[in-house]
Amino acid sequence: DTGVSQDPRHKITKRGQNVTFRCDPISEHNRLYWYRQTLGQGPEFLTYFQNEAQLEKSRLLSDRFSAERPKGSFSTLEIQRTEQGDSAMYLCASSFGVVGEAFFGQGTRLTVV
Amino acid sequence: AQSVTQLGSHVSVSEGALVLLRCNYSSSVPPYLFWYVQYPNQGLQLLLKYTSAATLVKGINGFEAEFKKSETSFHLTKPSAHMSDAAEYFCAVTPNIASGTYKYIFGTGTRLKVLA
Repeated sequence: DTGVSQDPRHKITKRGQNVTFRCDPISEHNRLYWYRQTLGQGPEFLTYFQNEAQLEKSRLLSDRFSAERPKGSFSTLEIQRTEQGDSAMYLCASSFGVVGEAFFGQGTRLTVV
Repeated sequence: AQSVTQLGSHVSVSEGALVLLRCNYSSSVPPYLFWYVQYPNQGLQLLLKYTSAATLVKGINGFEAEFKKSETSFHLTKPSAHMSDAAEYFCAVTPNIASGTYKYIFGTGTRLKVLA
C-alpha cells in the first residue's frame, strides 16, 4: 500500500491553457474525493466518486472543471481555460467502507501565470 | 447542512505546555468528526476520528479529542507540546448516515507554533 498518489506535484501553466491532474487512490478504496485548498484556508470540496459514479459536485466546480473516474480506479481532474484564480493546491483523497476516514495525497500545486 | 468552526487561526504554546485547539461543529444529523494535520507543502494526515463509539478519542503523536454533544465541540488536546507539533491542524465533519461517509467539510485551520 503506497497511499494516495497524485501527479504532477507541481504545475505551472499560462492563463487560458488546459491542465489535467491524475490521482491514484489506495487500491481497495471505493470512494474518491477532490478538494481545492487556497493559501490559509481549509480544503474545499470539489467532487466525489463512489466507484465510477460521480455523486456530487460543488458549486465551485464550474463548467471549466471536469472530473472522471473510469472503471472506478484512478481519477483525473481537468481544468479548461485556466484563470489566475485557479491557482491553488488540488488534493485528492480516498476512503473505504461506511466509516472510512479519508486518506489524502500530497496534492498538486497549480500556478497560473 | 454541516459546518465547522475553528476558533483561533494561530495558536502559540511553549514546548512542554498544553496544546488546546478548538473545534465546534454544526450538523443536522449525527456527525463523524476528524482532526487532520498538514505540514508545509504536504497533504493531510489523519490524527484521530470520532465515529460514535467512545467520546474520548486517542490519536497519534499523543493527541486526543473529546466529543461533547451538548457543546457541539470536538477540541484537540495534547498534554505536552513538542517542537515537531508545529503544523496546521484541520477539524472536519461528515454526516453519520447509513450510506456511509462522503463529503468532508473542513474548518479554516489553526496554525500551531511551538516556542522553544
